[in-house]
Amino acid sequence: GNSVTQMEGPVTLSEEAFLTINCTYTATGYPSLFWYVQYPGEGLQLLLKATKADDKGSNKGFEATYRKETTSFHLEKGSVQVSDSAVYFCALPGTGKLIFGQGTTLQVKP
Amino acid sequence: NAGVTQTPKFQVLKTGQSMTLQCAQDMNHEYMSWYRQDPGMGLRLIHYSVGAGITDQGEVPNGYNVSRSTTEDFPLRLLSAAPSQTSVYFCASSSTRGWASNEQFFGPGTRLTVL
Repeated sequence: GNSVTQMEGPVTLSEEAFLTINCTYTATGYPSLFWYVQYPGEGLQLLLKATKADDKGSNKGFEATYRKETTSFHLEKGSVQVSDSAVYFCALPGTGKLIFGQGTTLQVKP
Repeated sequence: NAGVTQTPKFQVLKTGQSMTLQCAQDMNHEYMSWYRQDPGMGLRLIHYSVGAGITDQGEVPNGYNVSRSTTEDFPLRLLSAAPSQTSVYFCASSSTRGWASNEQFFGPGTRLTVL
């Protein structure tokens, strides 16, 4: 079945640093891929998605490219802010559900 | 448009007590689901529903019951709470049309502690 592996955290960066959070997947076919973000004390919300191979999803300065050759969907941001501190989840569809990675905690220090 | 709402926000139970976590959405979504979130384990699906009157089990259904009598509501019942059910519970919904590429909308969560 489909599965997703996400880099473990926590990740601690200084403000304006470059961010990469790795995500690789195993799937039948080419499913849509998602990044969700969870801010402290809140539920998850969609950050970005890509629905087919080679698509790039982007939102709020974050980007991720659907790479079928490497089965990856790494999340990147060129310059993080303190307000980006959150938990980030990579996800893909399973049978009747979304399959989530374990989540990567990002802490950005001023 | 309130989105997905959950009540209560916090709850403390004693072992053996029962309770119902409420979830409602006002987006006319067919698909609704319950997840639990535990440290280091991400989100795990408990139960889900693809429409009124239709429910199915997820990865970790034991100890939980659900029903879906209306499109809007999807309550989660704990019949006899156990400490292992201490967790944060999230309800989510989405349209089933093209659901695999659609966004899931999450509620704010219920933090449950079982003593």
